[in-house]
Amino acid sequence: DAGVIQSPRHEVTEMGQEVTLRCKPISGHNSLFWYRQTMMRGLELLIYFNNNVPIDDSGMPEDRFSAKMPNASFSTLKIQPSEPRDSAVYFCASSLRKGLNQETQYFGPGTRLLVL
Amino acid sequence: QKEVEQDPGPLSVPEGAIVSLNCTYSNSAFQYFMWYRQYSRKGPELLMYTYSSGNKEDGRFTAQVDKSSKYISLFIRDSQPSDSATYLCAMSAGNYGQNFVFGPGTRLSVLP
Repeated sequence: DAGVIQSPRHEVTEMGQEVTLRCKPISGHNSLFWYRQTMMRGLELLIYFNNNVPIDDSGMPEDRFSAKMPNASFSTLKIQPSEPRDSAVYFCASSLRKGLNQETQYFGPGTRLLVL
Repeated sequence: QKEVEQDPGPLSVPEGAIVSLNCTYSNSAFQYFMWYRQYSRKGPELLMYTYSSGNKEDGRFTAQVDKSSKYISLFIRDSQPSDSATYLCAMSAGNYGQNFVFGPGTRLSVLP
């Protein structure tokens, strides 16, 4: 299995520009998570989807952030407009939820975002 | 008080040492406890997964959960230089991944 695939791996952009991060979860997984990791705040859950439906977006920092999952094999996280404080590593993770059992999450390699 | 606390380190040990990594938490609803290992410039990977209190062993790794003390531990026996990484604890009350919280991570260096 290829694992969780994220693109791009690195992104450098200027303040005010739109940034789109992409994720392909592991085939057959039905839950997808977007995280942000910084030195100051550690790993933070931004939003997660179950069966392509957003379940909890309470971690999304503000309206500049939006996430979509149009189908089971693709998700995007968009920042518009981007700001320097958005600089971080963004991880996508996927899992297979079975009934009420807590699932194991598998992480992608991350996208390193730098907003100048 | 943060929901999950973890000593950030760095922790340096000689090869072959026993390593003890710990997390404390405040939310008594947490039932699922995990340890992830994250190598530099990589995503976290799951090491150990336990439900409720007790011990779980997997090779050189042992996870312990003490819900009464709200304290979890990861022990690494016969540590190797390849164990050098950041170790993050994570925990959840369940419920479809809601309230899934990570500790800040402890950076471990195992010196040859």
